[in-house]
Amino acid sequence: ELKVEQNPLFLSMQEGKNYTIYCNYSTTSDRLYWYRQDPGKSLESLFVLLSNGAVKQEGRLMASLDTKARLSTLHITAAVHDLSATYFCAVDRDDKIIFGKGTRLHILP
Amino acid sequence: NAGVTQTPKFRVLKTGQSMTLLCAQDMNHEYMYWYRQDPGMGLRLIHYSVGEGTTAKGEVPDGYNVSRLKKQNFLLGLESAAPSQTSVYFCASTTQAGPEAFFGQGTRLTVV
Repeated sequence: ELKVEQNPLFLSMQEGKNYTIYCNYSTTSDRLYWYRQDPGKSLESLFVLLSNGAVKQEGRLMASLDTKARLSTLHITAAVHDLSATYFCAVDRDDKIIFGKGTRLHILP
Repeated sequence: NAGVTQTPKFRVLKTGQSMTLLCAQDMNHEYMYWYRQDPGMGLRLIHYSVGEGTTAKGEVPDGYNVSRLKKQNFLLGLESAAPSQTSVYFCASTTQAGPEAFFGQGTRLTVV
């Protein structure tokens, strides 16, 4: 059974700092997704990672995938308040997309 | 291009009542999913479908039924609502080749 674990589940950080969110999964996967969710809103797609070693960057966010370690990371560079949100990773396997519990990110000014 | 549309957006039910949530997508996607989101639990997969006329159970299927009579629509039914089904429900769709899965705006359901 596919399980997806994120850590940390909650992160409070200062503006300007760097940090990394980790996503571990239990079986091989077809795709790995990163989503952002603002309070009361739907999910916004950030990245889709398809192959080992894939790295994608958008602004202050960079996602990477290590399929051998079954690990994806979402790195935040020089955080700004606008990045405060909940971030989810999700893994696609056998036609199912299974989500982690999310990382609630709070960036302090 | 509307993408993924969920109906209704809000609903209050009494325990034991039934209702159907509708998910409609206009992207000709084969794959459709229903999730529930509860605080601290992330999104949990209820049921999914890989094509018209097919459905399968996800992580938390009990108390729910689904149907995919048309490719563009995926219906989620609650036959006898319980307070434990109070949640925000999200629908998503994608293709077999992906890469991206698109989400609807959510339905906030309260069972009293």
